[in-house]
Amino acid sequence: AQSVAQPEDQVNVAEGNPLTVKCTYSVSGNPYLFWYVQYPNRGLQFLLKYITGDNLVKGSYGFEAEFNKSQTSFHLKKPSALVSDSALYFCAVRDRGSTLGRLYFGRGTQLTVWP
Amino acid sequence: DTEVTQTPKHLVMGMTNKKSLKCEQHMGHRAMYWYKQKAKKPPELMFVYSYEKLSINESVPSRFSPECPNSSLLNLHLHALQPEDSALYLCASSQDGGQGAYGYTFGSGTRLTVV
Repeated sequence: AQSVAQPEDQVNVAEGNPLTVKCTYSVSGNPYLFWYVQYPNRGLQFLLKYITGDNLVKGSYGFEAEFNKSQTSFHLKKPSALVSDSALYFCAVRDRGSTLGRLYFGRGTQLTVWP
Repeated sequence: DTEVTQTPKHLVMGMTNKKSLKCEQHMGHRAMYWYKQKAKKPPELMFVYSYEKLSINESVPSRFSPECPNSSLLNLHLHALQPEDSALYLCASSQDGGQGAYGYTFGSGTRLTVV
């Protein structure tokens, strides 16, 4: 069965400091991995995805994520956080073998960047 | 056009009312999805349409009735809802009909309140 774990409900970081939002996954086979961000009362916005190739994926708004197959992790990172990065972040996994491309979401991590 | 458009943005309805949510995309995506999201929680899959056919119904109560009139439109018909159905309803689409490496494009959602 496919599953995604985001072990932290809340991450707090000072503006200008690096941030990490953690994600681990469990799938049968090689997954497609995604990060989405959600601002209050809005839909989810795509940040980045890992399909294959380079383990370091660069995405929107200066975010990047590192795929680690041995640790089955896909942590989201940014070298220097902004107050405007404060939002709810979801990690998601999609089984390559799925014919309907169903996304499985983690429970979400609330990122707060304080000035 | 790279958007998924949902209308209305807000809806308040009584438990005896009938209403519909609408979702539209003109990106040529062949898979469309309805999700329900409670505050600070991950989206929960309700329905999947692939090539205009209902592919997944996640045991959703019959008071929710999806419809896909054509490849660009997705409706969710609501009837005799309960207060616990109050949530953000998200529509999403995917380029590949559900297969492959593509993520979802989400709409901004309809905030539904059942009184």
